[in-house]
Amino acid sequence: DQQVKQNSPSLSVQEGRISILNCDYTNSMFDYFLWYKKYPAEGPTFLISISSIKDKNEDGRFTVFLNKSAKHLSLHIVPSQPGDSAVYFCAASRTGANSKLTFGKGITLSVRP
Amino acid sequence: EAGVAQSPRYKIIEKRQSVAFWCNPISGHATLYWYQQILGQGPKLLIQFQNNGVVDDSQLPKDRFSAERLKGVDSTLKIQPAKLEDSAVYLCASSPRQGGNSPLHFGNGTRLTVT
Repeated sequence: DQQVKQNSPSLSVQEGRISILNCDYTNSMFDYFLWYKKYPAEGPTFLISISSIKDKNEDGRFTVFLNKSAKHLSLHIVPSQPGDSAVYFCAASRTGANSKLTFGKGITLSVRP
Repeated sequence: EAGVAQSPRYKIIEKRQSVAFWCNPISGHATLYWYQQILGQGPKLLIQFQNNGVVDDSQLPKDRFSAERLKGVDSTLKIQPAKLEDSAVYLCASSPRQGGNSPLHFGNGTRLTVT
């Protein structure tokens, strides 16, 4: 049972335009969500997070939106740059001492110059 | 700050052989994780340590996988005997404290190929 779903395996956008990466979750106990970026042959790196008490968190070109009723979150990158081309993983967890991250399968973003 | 160090970067073995991976977390990080990432999938937690104690190993195939974190710093993950389906990237991560609200810092992983 996949609790975090990234249904689109890939996305291609033009440089300068907006990239929107979507993520859905099924476990209503999740209350903390993160996005990680991964380049080939490297480990994932933390990008941005959001707590369930918020519906938006912004950090520079990156904004994450959370819709709890729909169990849906999205990552917006504006403007997209070629260096943003990578695999993006959505992850979720329950707040608690022993909570663990559950990852989606990832979305491959390609930003065309 | 030095990142999470893992070795080796690549390993090719035959099925039924054994293999070991090593991880050195970021200095001062009490929590250490081993994840398995199969091609096309997201990372899956194998085991979580808090200092040198196991917090969660519910998804570790204990008949063939073992892990230890002596002295609460470095950690090793061992597979014995390996199966074809163990081919994956094994990622080590650390965080300064427990809990999902603490972003994990990942190493570059060890890519294991079992033939």
